Amino acid sequence: SQKIEQNSEALNIQEGKTATLTCNYTNYSPAYLQWYRQDPGRGPVFLLLIRENEKEKRKERLKVTFDTTLKQSLFHITASQPADSATYLCALDEQTGRRALTFGSGTRLQVQP
Amino acid sequence: ETGVTQSPTHLIKTRGQQVTLRCSSQSGHNTVSWYQQALGQGPQFIFQYYREEENGRGNFPPRFSGLQFPNYSSELNVNALELDDSALYLCASSFSTGTSGGDTQYFGPGTRLTVL
Repeated sequence: SQKIEQNSEALNIQEGKTATLTCNYTNYSPAYLQWYRQDPGRGPVFLLLIRENEKEKRKERLKVTFDTTLKQSLFHITASQPADSATYLCALDEQTGRRALTFGSGTRLQVQP
Repeated sequence: ETGVTQSPTHLIKTRGQQVTLRCSSQSGHNTVSWYQQALGQGPQFIFQYYREEENGRGNFPPRFSGLQFPNYSSELNVNALELDDSALYLCASSFSTGTSGGDTQYFGPGTRLTVL
């Protein structure tokens, strides 16, 4: 069966450290993988998109890697800040024509000051 | 802010009733998708409309239906509400060109539906 797995346990780190979140998937062939941030009671907000032929993508303090052999994406936040505390969702786009996203259940990140 | 709005913010209904949720997309976006998000879960795809026609559907029964209008607004209708329909309903708009994927989706704040 198809599965997208993100750490269900919250990730707690100290301010200034690098947070690394994992997204693993099985029985999907995504052409794109996206990461979103979601704050409580709000809709997800787009952060980064990476294509299947890209290994790494960066945007300011954010970095995403995509390994289609391991079927895994890693999402890094460097120099983390308390304002980075939120739930982070990975989403797969299989480019099936319908352009809809399949989301993982998200990992909650808590950055301690 | 994404420029996508949803109404109402919160809604309480009883089992068996019908509900209509509304979404206003970003101007110029030709695609709207609706998602259901249960507490502690990621959003689950309900269906998508592209240029006012349904363009894909997730694993939801026919009592979930929708419409997309030319003025960038859309609706999600749910008939015969069940307790399990209680969730956050999100709409997301995007601009799609041809068959290429990788469209960034801009989500609204959601409508919190509670079914008693």
